[in-house]
Amino acid sequence: GAGVSQSPSNKVTEKGKDVELRCDPISGHTALYWYRQSLGQGLEFLIYFQGNSAPDKSGLPSDRFSAERTGGSVSTLTIQRTQQEDSAVYLCASCQRTGGNTDTQYFGPGTRLTVL
Amino acid sequence: RKEVEQDPGPFNVPEGATVAFNCTYSNSASQSFFWYRQDCRKEPKLLMSVYSSGNEDGRFTAQLNRASQYISLLIRDSKLSDSATYLCVVNILTGGGNKLTFGTGTQLKVEL
Repeated sequence: GAGVSQSPSNKVTEKGKDVELRCDPISGHTALYWYRQSLGQGLEFLIYFQGNSAPDKSGLPSDRFSAERTGGSVSTLTIQRTQQEDSAVYLCASCQRTGGNTDTQYFGPGTRLTVL
Repeated sequence: RKEVEQDPGPFNVPEGATVAFNCTYSNSASQSFFWYRQDCRKEPKLLMSVYSSGNEDGRFTAQLNRASQYISLLIRDSKLSDSATYLCVVNILTGGGNKLTFGTGTQLKVEL
């Protein structure tokens, strides 16, 4: 079946511009996560959506970062006024349910963002 | 101190060798543990969960030591295809749900 998809796969932008990254989770998965992976770093948690609950935004690095999840499915991560340090691979993952310690997160291929 | 710490490697081993990775975590409230595998420029994929009693999946053995707050991954009879980065992952169950914290990964290179 279809896995998690993300678009675009690559994005090059100029410093100060806004960018929008998209994630299509696996159908039926109620939980959706955004992570960031910089060179030589582990995955950094950004934000988490679970059903209709208020999202856990505790990982967003600044107020330039925001995310939405419309209709409990597709999610967009928006970075305003991009900075060079925002350059990273942004990964989305979805999970069928939460609350179970062994729930598996399935990752999308990521969006490689380069800010010039 | 990082929440999850791993030796970045690389570990260069000959084909057929046995190799072990360790990972330490700082939050004693951590509830579940995983090893993910990430190939170069690819997304992470679950390799195996780590259970308190230790568990084995083919050539892979994972162990957890809650008292010392570390987990390990042992790979026996390593194959060229095992070359990848292995991410140690710790899950904390919060009021809002699961929160996974990833280590920076340990790079393994299996050579002829």
